[in-house]
Amino acid sequence: KNQVEQSPQSLIILEGKNCTLQCNYTVSPFSNLRWYKQDTGRGPVSLTIMTFSENTKSNGRYTATLDADTKQSSLHITASQLSDSASYICVVSAERGGGNKLTFGTGTQLKVEL
Amino acid sequence: NAGVTQTPKFQVLKTGQSMTLQCAQDMNHNSMYWYRQDPGMGLRLIYYSASEGTTDKGEVPNGYNVSRLNKREFSLRLESAAPSQTSVYFCASSTGRSSNQPQHFGDGTRLSIL
Repeated sequence: KNQVEQSPQSLIILEGKNCTLQCNYTVSPFSNLRWYKQDTGRGPVSLTIMTFSENTKSNGRYTATLDADTKQSSLHITASQLSDSASYICVVSAERGGGNKLTFGTGTQLKVEL
Repeated sequence: NAGVTQTPKFQVLKTGQSMTLQCAQDMNHNSMYWYRQDPGMGLRLIYYSASEGTTDKGEVPNGYNVSRLNKREFSLRLESAAPSQTSVYFCASSTGRSSNQPQHFGDGTRLSIL
């Protein structure tokens, strides 16, 4: 069964600090891995998409890494800001006939405090 | 640029009532999706439309129907609402199901069934 597990479930950090969120998956055949940010009361917004051949991808202060051999990904947030408070969702896409099938993690709830 | 627009934003129904959730996108995307998000669970796909004129079941289609009205609009209908359908419903769109492009999400419809 395809699964995506994220850790930690929740995290509180001080503004300006860095943090790293983890994602482990058992999805095959692998197509790509996505990180989304979901603010409270809003829909998810795409941060990065990485294919099998990409092991690092950045979007501003967000840097995602992918190790396809160990089936692990991380999202590193640098110099956190209050606006980074949100749920971060890891999504893995599997190749299927006619299109990709997405498996969503349950998210890491990040709170950035003063 | 509105992106993906969902209506209504909130709705309370009684068991057995019916209603239609509306979704429209202005990005000229071919594929559209309906998801539900429940506490402690990742987003789950209800139905999708790979292209105008086609619809297919996702992971949790029971109790729902969809209509791809045209390229822009994709509606979700609950014929006889049940308390188990209390959830937040998200519509999303993408250029295509097989692409490595992200899905763009609306801000959701929060539905309570009493």
